[in-house]
Amino acid sequence: DIQMTQSPSSLSASVGDRVTITCRASQSISSYLNWYQQKPGKAPKLLIYAASSLQSGVPSRFSGSGSGTDFTLTISSLQPEDFATYYCQQSYSTPRTFGQGTRLEIK
Amino acid sequence: EVQLVESGGGLVQPGGSLRLSCAASGFTFSSYEMNWVRQAPGKGLEWVSYISSSGSTIYYADSVKGRFTISRDNAKNSLYLQMNSLRAEDTAVYYCARDHSSSWYGSDYWGQGTLVTVSS
Repeated sequence: DIQMTQSPSSLSASVGDRVTITCRASQSISSYLNWYQQKPGKAPKLLIYAASSLQSGVPSRFSGSGSGTDFTLTISSLQPEDFATYYCQQSYSTPRTFGQGTRLEIK
Repeated sequence: EVQLVESGGGLVQPGGSLRLSCAASGFTFSSYEMNWVRQAPGKGLEWVSYISSSGSTIYYADSVKGRFTISRDNAKNSLYLQMNSLRAEDTAVYYCARDHSSSWYGSDYWGQGTLVTVSS
């Protein structure tokens, strides 16, 4: 199975900050990497697919990059509604493993 | 509007069975691959199972293989998860999730989830 490791596990930031979350795969997954946002008590929401493609309706302050084993999710200017938990997921092979999550909190 | 509505969750004893359903609307269900993903209380996301649009290709996580069965009825726009030999560690919110235009691109719509509690 492909292991997905996110860093950091938690992060404190302020509104307006630029934030980067990293996801590393245990083997190459090409660009088959997706990012989700989840708020408490809610279902996950797809933000980025295929490493860098912005899902329809997602604000342009979210961006993704990377290929192979190393990927990043960047939020260019944090908004109050962005405080949530973020997960990466590889869709290169089954099982479609998720990272452990990154909790983004208000500083 | 795309909607996925799960049902069938509840409290079940260890070793028991439960059948989850996911009713789909707002899109051509028979054209999309579907998944079940679960989340134990306070924990991260765990992919459980996948089924192709026709139902001919199915995958499971090792943690549920041999105990859970995914299926779909395209005529009824419904996805199912039959869960047998349930264990305490199966306690979780179970989400059905629609794959994007391609299964390479993750899941673009999710239901609200249904809670399964396995306890005596």
